[in-house]
Amino acid sequence: NAGVTQTPKFQVLKTGQSMTLQCAQDMNHEYMSWYRQDPGMGLRLIHYSVGAGITDQGEVPNGYNVSRSTTEDFPLRLLSAAPSQTSVYFCASSYRRNQETQYFGPGTRLLVL
Amino acid sequence: KNEVEQSPQNLTAQEGEFITINCSYSVGISALHWLQQHPGGGIVSLFMLSSGKKKHGRLIATINIQEKHSSLHITASHPRDSAVYICAVRTLDSNYQLIWGAGTKLIIKP
Repeated sequence: NAGVTQTPKFQVLKTGQSMTLQCAQDMNHEYMSWYRQDPGMGLRLIHYSVGAGITDQGEVPNGYNVSRSTTEDFPLRLLSAAPSQTSVYFCASSYRRNQETQYFGPGTRLLVL
Repeated sequence: KNEVEQSPQNLTAQEGEFITINCSYSVGISALHWLQQHPGGGIVSLFMLSSGKKKHGRLIATINIQEKHSSLHITASHPRDSAVYICAVRTLDSNYQLIWGAGTKLIIKP
């Protein structure tokens, strides 16, 4: 199993550009989530999904959209990038919402100029 | 005030020392997680606790629900234990979301 994969690993955007961060898992996990990690702060939940076709907002959803058309994929879209979205983004998955182990992707480092 | 506080923020120790990292929280929880973030950025789940103590190799995690406090201990520390250790709590009012501590950066010197 590849586990949780994320692409790209690093991206530079100009303010106002759009892009999609890809996340995929091959473990048939129901629950997937997106976090952002900023210096000196804990991980903050952006959006999450409890299954295909079901998504919901987390703590910091503004400026981001998600969809879950398949169990495997959970892309995160930035519609109009802003410098405040410069961060490291992590995708995570688990079989069930309360499962002991969350599996994290390697992260995407995003710089918005 | 943050709902999840970790201490210390930074910790440097010599190889072989016994390490303790603390996590205090102010909300009712259903579970507490400890995770490790490697210098390269990867995040790995270590433990999930709802009571008592868990042990895996040289890592021991304890939780005191009444005191709203958890500790992560590392015995016989090694330079490869150098990482950021993160505490996160799953609150009683939402089973989907975790509240994350800011992390403790641990450096073990040879």
